[in-house]
Amino acid sequence: IVLTQSPATLSLSPGERATLSCRASQSVGIHLAWYQHKRGQAPRVLIYDGSTRATGIPARFSGSGSGGTDFTLTINSLEPEDFAVYYCQLRDSWPPRLTFGGGTKVEIK
Amino acid sequence: EVQLVESGGGLVQPGGSLRLSCAASGFTLSNYWMSWVRQGPGKGLEWVANIKQDGGEKYYVDSVEGRFTISRDNAKNSLYLQMSSLRVEDTAVYYCARGPIGNSVDQWGQGTLVTVSS
Repeated sequence: IVLTQSPATLSLSPGERATLSCRASQSVGIHLAWYQHKRGQAPRVLIYDGSTRATGIPARFSGSGSGGTDFTLTINSLEPEDFAVYYCQLRDSWPPRLTFGGGTKVEIK
Repeated sequence: EVQLVESGGGLVQPGGSLRLSCAASGFTLSNYWMSWVRQGPGKGLEWVANIKQDGGEKYYVDSVEGRFTISRDNAKNSLYLQMSSLRVEDTAVYYCARGPIGNSVDQWGQGTLVTVSS
């Protein structure tokens, strides 16, 4: 299964809404996660199972999906610390191999 | 507090070997699958390998199969990645990660840089 993220880069201002897309080449149910990655830091899980926020993740981050192939990460009212690269990820049923999308960079406009 | 601290990265020539370590603390390592994920220069995240709680099952991305070996020592709270026959394209920051738990990994280390170059 291939995960395709779009756009590659999103240029926005603080306070704006970011909408990131992740499309799977075949249905993956709800089994998609989203991560935030800042340069020089450890990646951080934001969303798992398509729409469940991980512990400590602010409510401005939300995940949704439809048809098991199209998923969206929405960041409402971007904060300065939200400018980063975001990855979607799925796990094969068995064996439990992980696949990451190519990433979307959210940069300051 | 959960912590994962990688070590062992460095500069190695093509064809060489390197062993990465990941020291785990703040949780019981033996309860979790563990994974290695890498990020090459200018590239995205790529899963490398994972290992079951007791070490009895191991899986690898095709590009490292037969060259890399993932292992663990739960008594020492440590995860390892033995890398051999290294290629220039293996150059990356290597992250140790807890999971998969369900369908995702929930804790990551800061990473260790491996550079394969002559």
